[in-house]
Amino acid sequence: GENVEQHPSTLSVQEGDSAVIKCTYSDSASNYFPWYKQELGKRPQLIIDIRSNVGEKKDQRIAVTLNKTAKHFSLHITETQPEDSAVYFCAASIWGGGNKLTFGTGTQLKVEL
Amino acid sequence: ETGVTQSPTHLIKTRGQQVTLRCSSQSGHNTVSWYQQALGQGPQFIFQYYREEENGRGNFPPRFSGLQFPNYSSELNVNALELDDSALYLCASSSETNEKLFFGSGTQLSVL
Repeated sequence: GENVEQHPSTLSVQEGDSAVIKCTYSDSASNYFPWYKQELGKRPQLIIDIRSNVGEKKDQRIAVTLNKTAKHFSLHITETQPEDSAVYFCAASIWGGGNKLTFGTGTQLKVEL
Repeated sequence: ETGVTQSPTHLIKTRGQQVTLRCSSQSGHNTVSWYQQALGQGPQFIFQYYREEENGRGNFPPRFSGLQFPNYSSELNVNALELDDSALYLCASSSETNEKLFFGSGTQLSVL
């Protein structure tokens, strides 16, 4: 089955700096890679996703890059703000197969003033 | 548009008991997936229901079972509760035409 590894487990940045979270996956059949943000005590929220036919996708301050050959993908957050502080999860699945996600172990991002 | 709702929000049970968790899918969604999130971990896929049938299962024992109803709402049942079943149980819904998952706020289960 799929295995997703995520690092770092914790990340502390100064407000305005950039943050990068990296994930690797094992199953070459995976073709859908979403990122979820989970604030303490709240539901995971989809913030951005990418399909394997695209190498990069951007939405305002958030971008995701995918390297299919190396089986890794990354989340980039620019101009970080205190409200970006949360746990971020990467995930992988096969789109069109019910999208049964395999999640990474999460990155606790702390944006300091 | 109504989001994914789960009930109850919190639950305390003792080892050996049985529990039922409920989920109402987002309007327009006909697929429900259940995930278990242990403290400090990522969610783990339990199973998925589509058209009232189980459509895939993760690495969970048979004492984890589920149902989906004609209105697409779903239940997760866990028998013979163990201490390690203590976790946040998340329900997510999606549709055939757009498989993006939208999560509910979860049920926090504590097994004592």
